[in-house]
Amino acid sequence: AQSVTQLDSHVSVSEGTPVLLRCNYSSSYSPSLFWYVQHPNKGLQLLLKYTSAATLVKGINGFEAEFKKSETSFHLTKPSAHMSDAAEYFCVVSDRGGTASKLTFGTGTRLQVTL
Amino acid sequence: DTEVTQTPKHLVMGMTNKKSLKCEQHMGHRAMYWYKQKAKKPPELMFVYSYEKLSINESVPSRFSPECPNSSLLNLHLHALQPEDSALYLCASSQAFLTMGNQPQHFGDGTRLSIL
Repeated sequence: AQSVTQLDSHVSVSEGTPVLLRCNYSSSYSPSLFWYVQHPNKGLQLLLKYTSAATLVKGINGFEAEFKKSETSFHLTKPSAHMSDAAEYFCVVSDRGGTASKLTFGTGTRLQVTL
Repeated sequence: DTEVTQTPKHLVMGMTNKKSLKCEQHMGHRAMYWYKQKAKKPPELMFVYSYEKLSINESVPSRFSPECPNSSLLNLHLHALQPEDSALYLCASSQAFLTMGNQPQHFGDGTRLSIL
């Protein structure tokens, strides 16, 4: 069984400052990990994915995440926040079974960006 | 614009009505999913179709009835819903490989359902 813990339910940053959204995972095997973003009244958009290739994963809109097996972490970062980054972010782990993936979601982190 | 299209975007229905939610994708994905999302919560998996066959039903009440008529379409038929069924219903799709369950899912923008 796998699980995901997002350590902050709410993060507030000023525009132009770095963003750090924290995620720890638990998995009995080498996991597949994803970060998704959800803007108000929208679906989930894939930001980036880790599937056991490079440990530093670059995603869209300047986001990146680093897989650290020793710390069981997959934190999401961005060097400079933009107002448009304000949204809900979900850290997600996928199982490995069969012909469809079953996702386990974290509880989400709401990112607020202020002027 | 998302590559998974859901219609309608909004739906208001009474508890005795019958309605359907529709989802369409043209990415060649052979796995499709229905999720329910309540406000300020992550999505909850309802159903999974793999190669047009129902492979997972997460103990969803029978008032929700999924259908996958072909590899591009996924429907969710609704009947006699309760007020607590009001939520955002999301459809997703992914590639399906026999040895890999780690393909990312691509989500539509959802249907916001309100039960009166």
